[in-house]
Amino acid sequence: QKEVEQDPGPLSVPEGAIVSLNCTYSNSAFQYFMWYRQYSRKGPELLMYTYSSGNKEDGRFTAQVDKSSKYISLFIRDSQPSDSATYLCAMTTAGNTPLVFGKGTRLSVIA
Amino acid sequence: DVKVTQSSRYLVKRTGEKVFLECVQDMDHENMFWYRQDPGLGLRLIYFSYDVKMKEKGDIPEGYSVSREKKERFSLILESASTNQTSMYLCASSKASRGTDTQYFGPGTRLTVL
Repeated sequence: QKEVEQDPGPLSVPEGAIVSLNCTYSNSAFQYFMWYRQYSRKGPELLMYTYSSGNKEDGRFTAQVDKSSKYISLFIRDSQPSDSATYLCAMTTAGNTPLVFGKGTRLSVIA
Repeated sequence: DVKVTQSSRYLVKRTGEKVFLECVQDMDHENMFWYRQDPGLGLRLIYFSYDVKMKEKGDIPEGYSVSREKKERFSLILESASTNQTSMYLCASSKASRGTDTQYFGPGTRLTVL
């Protein structure tokens, strides 16, 4: 079993839709959870960062962590064509250890 | 603004050549990483470094080596390039901190080995 599972998509939605992106993981020691966004032919950039369980909101984006289920989500409200990108989840344990990435979900928002 | 730069955006090499990929960061970050990214396989960690002259193997170090002589520079070396090393190579850096390993990525180098 992979440490982090993420559906690769592709996911295609109409403009204005609510998007839900998800990852599951197996390592209960993970405490720090991130979402990266990667546009075509660019490097990933950090979008959201969450520590432990709970929700975090930033504009149209909400990151949710459910440690009991080992499940994290990223919600995008009022999706825009500019949100079209690959979204990667990433997580790590306490301590200065490398991130473990999901494979990424490719999202297309159609105008 | 954090800046991570990579020496080339596109590179074409022949099988058997020695290839150097350079990465420089300007934020005085302690940690630096090299990944390769392939369709269907996601990001895979090749090597990382937590300090100058230190290196740690990642998940797929075979066929690669690294060098970190200065804090801001981390080089990935393909000793004898092979066609299965055709890939997108991404460098990243982060501050050394407990758990908040927020990584900043460079734009990537697309390497083609013929």
